[in-house]
Amino acid sequence: DIQMTQSPSSLSASVGDRVTITCRASQGFGNYLAWYQQKPGKVPKLLISAASTLQSGVPSRFSGSGSGTDFTLTISRLQPEDVATYYCQKYDGVPLTFGGGTKVEIK
Amino acid sequence: QVQLVQSGAEVREPGASVKVSCNASGYTFTSYGITWVRQAPGQGLEWVGWISANNGNAHSAQKLQGRLTMTTDTSTSTAYMELRSLRSDDTAVYYCARKPQSESLDYWGQGTLVTVSS
Repeated sequence: DIQMTQSPSSLSASVGDRVTITCRASQGFGNYLAWYQQKPGKVPKLLISAASTLQSGVPSRFSGSGSGTDFTLTISRLQPEDVATYYCQKYDGVPLTFGGGTKVEIK
Repeated sequence: QVQLVQSGAEVREPGASVKVSCNASGYTFTSYGITWVRQAPGQGLEWVGWISANNGNAHSAQKLQGRLTMTTDTSTSTAYMELRSLRSDDTAVYYCARKPQSESLDYWGQGTLVTVSS
C-alpha cells in the first residue's frame, strides 16, 4: 500500500505569513490527491481535489500543487481563521490513505 | 442540499459490536460511494472502508478485515458500518463521507463517537 507522509507535523506562523505543507507518497499515483482542513472539534472539510482544484467557497489564499509523489498545500497569507489541522489523502483507489496531518497555529 | 446524518453516540464494552448508520439525502444515493473514516481521540484521520451504494461492492482497511461489515439500504438511502469484537483502541469518532467515483470526499456526516470501555 502507498504511504502518505506529511511534513511538518506542526508549525507556528504569524498572520500574513506564507505557509507551505508537504505531502509525499511512497510511490506515484498521478494527481488523485485531496487536502482537507479540520478545525478543532469540527468535521473535516474538503479544500482541494485533484492536487490543485480549489473547492467552491474556499479562499483563494489556499493553493495546491504537485503530482506523482510530491504535493504541496500553500496558504499565501495566513489568517487567524486558518488555525486547523490539514490532511492530505490519496483517492486513486483503496486504501484511501491519509497523511498524518499538519497542525497550523498562529505565533 | 446534500446531507449525511449519522446515528448518535454509542458506548460498548470490549468484545461487543456496534452498528453506526449514515442517512443520506439531497442526491441520488446509488450514484455515489460511501467512505467511512475514523479519528481516535487526539489522533489523525484513518480510512476505515468504502462501499458502493450502487452494487454493494466494499473494501475494508486491512487491519479491520474480519471485524468490519459495511452495508447499504437503498430503500432508505442509508449506509451502515458494523464493527465487531470491539477493543479499546476502536474508541474514535466515526465519520461517513460521500465519495463520487474517481473523486475525493466531498460531503461528510457529523460524526459518531464510539466509546469502548468496561
